[in-house]
Amino acid sequence: SQQGEEDPQALSIQEGENATMNCSYKTSINNLQWYRQNSGRGLVHLILIRSNEREKHSGRLRVTLDTSKKSSSLLITASRAADTASYFCATEIYGGATNKLIFGTGTLLAVQP
Amino acid sequence: DGGITQSPKYLFRKEGQNVTLSCEQNLNHDAMYWYRQDPGQGLRLIYYSQIVNDFQKGDIAEGYSVSREKKESFPLTVTSAQKNPTAFYLCASSRGLAGGPLSEQFFGPGTRLTVL
Repeated sequence: SQQGEEDPQALSIQEGENATMNCSYKTSINNLQWYRQNSGRGLVHLILIRSNEREKHSGRLRVTLDTSKKSSSLLITASRAADTASYFCATEIYGGATNKLIFGTGTLLAVQP
Repeated sequence: DGGITQSPKYLFRKEGQNVTLSCEQNLNHDAMYWYRQDPGQGLRLIYYSQIVNDFQKGDIAEGYSVSREKKESFPLTVTSAQKNPTAFYLCASSRGLAGGPLSEQFFGPGTRLTVL
């Protein structure tokens, strides 16, 4: 199974509400990253949180990381219709001479105007 | 403009044919990656390259091949040995250093390959 598993698989909310997505992983990580993907497009990096950090903010985004539970959450506050997209967590693991990102299966967020 | 480009956007192939997907970046990044995305399955790593003339297999390399003759270019060939090649293919690049903020990956717009 995937290193990262997002929950829920799909989320529908009204504009102005907050959206929370969760990510769980299995192995030790260097950092955890969140990406956004609009339908049929490439991914866009949103935020990176290192393994020794617990919380990070960027605009309307808030990410938490709990390494003891091997889990992370992404909170989008005051959501907008333009936030409608798929959101993926990706865990960076160090494989000797290189590093790799392992992506989860994603959460599809629909923000209703 | 700095960025990463992929071509073509849509590609149709007959069974038994090889096809090459293009990926070019002008970000001066050392590392480049190819992913495959199927509906509901997230991204899976096909191949990656940390430096020119060197590349490693990812999790699903069978039926694919790559080359890295130039820093800017990392083409992916989908061979006839790939049993289920219809998918959305994404190329990415990063500065390539392990850990820290430099491992953020920048993605191209993707190529949608359909085998007829």
